[in-house]
Amino acid sequence: NAGVTQTPKFRVLKTGQSMTLLCAQDMNHEYMYWYRQDPGMGLRLIHYSVGEGTTAKGEVPDGYNVSRLKKQNFLLGLESAAPSQTSVYFCASRQGYSNQPQHFGDGTRLSIL
Amino acid sequence: AQSVTQPDIHITVSEGASLELRCNYSYGATPYLFWYVQSPGQGLQLLLKYFSGDTLVQGIKGFEAEFKRSQSSFNLRKPSVHWSDAAEYFCAVADQAGTALIFGKGTTLSVSS
Repeated sequence: NAGVTQTPKFRVLKTGQSMTLLCAQDMNHEYMYWYRQDPGMGLRLIHYSVGEGTTAKGEVPDGYNVSRLKKQNFLLGLESAAPSQTSVYFCASRQGYSNQPQHFGDGTRLSIL
Repeated sequence: AQSVTQPDIHITVSEGASLELRCNYSYGATPYLFWYVQSPGQGLQLLLKYFSGDTLVQGIKGFEAEFKRSQSSFNLRKPSVHWSDAAEYFCAVADQAGTALIFGKGTTLSVSS
């Protein structure tokens, strides 16, 4: 049972380039999340999805887009990468009840030069 | 607005000594509370959660936490720390909509021999 898998694990981009981060979960979870983690800032929610075909903005959505075409996958896109988007990105998923914990992937370390 | 405060950015504990990590939250109703641990280069792993019932909850790896409504606290404890407990610890509360988690900024635990 893989849980939550993030692809890629590391990536270096140049300013202005675009890329997509992939998150896949095999637990049939309804909810999926994208966070960014920066030193001293904890985890900040970028976007989330409460089911296939739905997405919503979190705390820091600017500069990012997401899609959830399939229940098991949640994609995070950077259309025009900026140095301020250098961060570690985490995907998480959970079942539909609010008292259930989120399950996290191992993260994607992204550097924008 | 809901928030989670972890007052200690960094704590150093001797191996074998007891540990208490502090967490204070702001939320009017009964909160759903979580503690996660993050080892270097890894994702977040759930240690324990509270959503009702007994205010002292047991988690994995010998950790426990006590919910105190009067103090709006959910402190994490361990009687005897092991070197492998060195990591970053995050406290989180479910938001009012039950959709997402609000994380504290984390406490880094170092263990000295």
